[in-house]
This record gives sequence, structure tokens and C-alpha cells, in this order.
Amino acid sequence: EIVMTQSPATLSVSPGERATLSCRASQSVNSNLAWYQQKPGQAPRLLIYGASTRATGIPARFSGSGSGTEFTLTISSLQSEDFAIYHCQQYNKWYTFGQGTKLEIK
Amino acid sequence: QVQLQESGPGLVKPSQTLSLTCTVSGGSISSSGYYWSWIRQHPGKGLEWIGYIYYSGSTYYNPSLKSRVTISLDTSKTQFSLKLSSVTAADTAVYYCARSVVAVPIYQHWGQGTLVTVSS
Repeated sequence: EIVMTQSPATLSVSPGERATLSCRASQSVNSNLAWYQQKPGQAPRLLIYGASTRATGIPARFSGSGSGTEFTLTISSLQSEDFAIYHCQQYNKWYTFGQGTKLEIK
Repeated sequence: QVQLQESGPGLVKPSQTLSLTCTVSGGSISSSGYYWSWIRQHPGKGLEWIGYIYYSGSTYYNPSLKSRVTISLDTSKTQFSLKLSSVTAADTAVYYCARSVVAVPIYQHWGQGTLVTVSS
């Protein structure tokens, strides 16, 4: 099983600032990596797939990068609605998710 | 726009079988090109893929759950179902149904999720 490790577990950032979230795979997943946003009581929402392609309707302030085992989700200027939990998911070999990063208001 | 909705008991006794149904609207469950999946989330934890079914009836399960999981399709009712046998407290979670595209198996469409608690 490919283990996905996200860091940090919690990230405190002020509105308007940049947030950088990391996801590491235990073995290469090529670019088969997706990011999701989840708010309390809601299902996850797809943000990024193919490591860097934004899903339909996702604002340009969200960007993804990386390949192989190291990936990053960057939110360039945090809006109030961006404070949530973010999950990464690999789909290179079956499907596994990271444990999530909670992005909270500083 | 496809929509998915989970339904089923919110409380299951230990050792019994958890049974959930996902009703799909706004799209055909019989068409090729999609996987119909179950994913769960333990309280305060990350997501865990349980398995999926293809329109042909082919199924693929998480190896860690494979011995206890059955996913089936009812095209006449545009539903697919999850059965998880011999449940324990460790199976307490929010269960989601979701759809992914075969070509790029990421999850763009999800149900709202349903909490299932395993307790006597």
C-alpha cells in the first residue's frame, strides 16, 4: 500500500497570506495525485488532479505542483472560505489518502 | 449534474452486517466510463477507499477490507450498495458514495455522507 503523509497536521495562516501544504508518498505515484478541500459536515471537494490541474470552477489562487513522491498545494492569498481541511490522494496504484492538513485562521 | 445520496441504518450492532445504498440521479449508472465507489472517514481522521464497482459488475476492493466487503449494482433502481460484514467499533465512520472517471480516477462527485455507528 502506498502511504501518503501530509504536513503539517495543522497550519495557522492569516487571511491574505500564502499557505503551503505538503504531501509525500511512500513510493513514486508519478503525477497521479489529487487534492481535496473538506469543510465541517461536508463531503470533500476536488481541487486539483494530475498534481497540477485545477478542477472545474476552482479559483486560480489554488495551485498544485510536484511529481514522484513530493507534492505541494499552494493557496496564494487566503480567503475566509479557504479555512478547511485539505486531503491529498494518490491514484497511481489503487487509492490512498493522506491524513489531512487542517488550515486554520491565525 | 449527477447527484448521489447515501441511505441506510445509522446504528449497527457489533458482528452484524452494515448495509448502505447510494441512489444516483442526473446520470446513468449503466454507462461505461465511471467507477461507483464507497469511501469512509473515521471520526477526525483521513479518508479510506473501500472499493468500487463498474457498470459491468466488476468490483475492486481495498485489500485490507476485501474479506468483508461486497459492492453491488442495481441498474433498474440506479443504485449501488455496500455490505460490510462482521463489523466492530473500528468500522464506525462516515460513509460516502462517490463517482470517479475511469480514465482519471479522482472523485468529483460525492454523496453528502452518512454516519454509521457500531455499538451494542
